[in-house]
Amino acid sequence: QKEVEQDPGPLSVPEGAIVSLNCTYSNSAFQYFMWYRQYSRKGPELLMYTYSSGNKEDGRFTAQVDKSSKYISLFIRDSQPSDSATYLCAMSGNAGGTSYGKLTFGQGTILTVHP
Amino acid sequence: SAVISQKPSRDICQRGTSLTIQCQVDSQVTMMFWYRQQPGQSLTLIATANQGSEATYESGFVIDKFPISRPNLTFSTLTVSNMSPEDSSIYLCSVESGRYEQYFGPGTRLTVT
Repeated sequence: QKEVEQDPGPLSVPEGAIVSLNCTYSNSAFQYFMWYRQYSRKGPELLMYTYSSGNKEDGRFTAQVDKSSKYISLFIRDSQPSDSATYLCAMSGNAGGTSYGKLTFGQGTILTVHP
Repeated sequence: SAVISQKPSRDICQRGTSLTIQCQVDSQVTMMFWYRQQPGQSLTLIATANQGSEATYESGFVIDKFPISRPNLTFSTLTVSNMSPEDSSIYLCSVESGRYEQYFGPGTRLTVT
């Protein structure tokens, strides 16, 4: 079993839809949770990061972490064609200090938002 | 956020040869990381590179195959040695900035024939 599971999709939605992307994980040591967006032939771009459980909102994006269920989500409101990309969840277990260390990634979900 | 560049952006190499990938950051950073992203797969950490010390390799990756240099706080190289077609991948460097954030370069797309 992989430490981080993410449905690879592909996911296709109409413009303006609310998109829900999810990851589950098995390692209870994970405390830092991130979402990256990767456009074709580009490096991953950090979208959101959260520490421990709770919600975080940034514009059209909301990240949720439920550590009791080992489940994280990214919601995209009013989705746009420019949101079409691969979305990767990533997690880290280091606590304290200046280094949060190794990231463990999900497989990535391919999202297409069509006009 | 840090600005990261990688060279080359892509290359096609013959089996048995080696390729050195460069990663340059626009600011001084303590930790740099090298990842591999195989076709259709997610990112897998190869090693962590701190300036002034030996790189730390993840399980399944060895120094003889992936030697890494970290001569200063803004630069690192990864060499893919004695390449085989199974080494065809995107190789990405990343840097740590702040407590949580890790930023990635654009990647080097390697094809081994």
